[in-house]
Amino acid sequence: GAVVSQHPSRVICKSGTSVKIECRSLDFQATTMFWYRQFPKQSLMLMATSNEGSKATYEQGVEKDKFLINHASLTLSTLTVTSAHPEDSSFYICSARDPPTQYFGPGTRLLVL
Amino acid sequence: LAKTTQPISMDSYEGQEVNITCSHNNIATNDYITWYQQFPSQGPRFIIQGYKTKVTNEVASLFIPADRKSSTLSLPRVSLSDTAVYYCLVGDMRDYGGSQGNLIFGKGTKLSVKP
Repeated sequence: GAVVSQHPSRVICKSGTSVKIECRSLDFQATTMFWYRQFPKQSLMLMATSNEGSKATYEQGVEKDKFLINHASLTLSTLTVTSAHPEDSSFYICSARDPPTQYFGPGTRLLVL
Repeated sequence: LAKTTQPISMDSYEGQEVNITCSHNNIATNDYITWYQQFPSQGPRFIIQGYKTKVTNEVASLFIPADRKSSTLSLPRVSLSDTAVYYCLVGDMRDYGGSQGNLIFGKGTKLSVKP
């Protein structure tokens, strides 16, 4: 199947700093990419949908000014967690669609101290 | 709100066939049915996808009845490494970025395979 990569796989940062996570579709072009967040022992929760060349669409309750999403090309989407706080610590997973199938990245573990 | 309902957990033994059924009573005409496997601290891995009838690949089979209101993932001869959470999702997978196509995860089925 198609491959989606994420970088970094894990990151530790201090409270108040910003962290950028990259998501790449390696062998296909993705007009639409998705960002999910998963807390321990819970299911994935959709944060936002990004379409190449346009603004991201955020799910209810997700702060767009805190979670900046850029989908600058058909193979790259980035999620920037701005002014991170300990409650932002989570497992962030990106996903890209190669219709009719959606593939997921390996995830990024964020720990905010 | 997830569009699907699955058993929370299932137990099995190595070598057995495991069938996990998912209900999706409100499935729409353009929705596909997709199953994923997730291990702890990893992203979901695509297993199989179908629209109607039966689909088989090298790791699983997917049975979809004519009314498409449910589906069954069949894992032949499971091993200890198949212990994971399995998610059934339905969504319009055409690539237009609309909200109807967003895959919303339910709680999934935690499969435990014992020796």
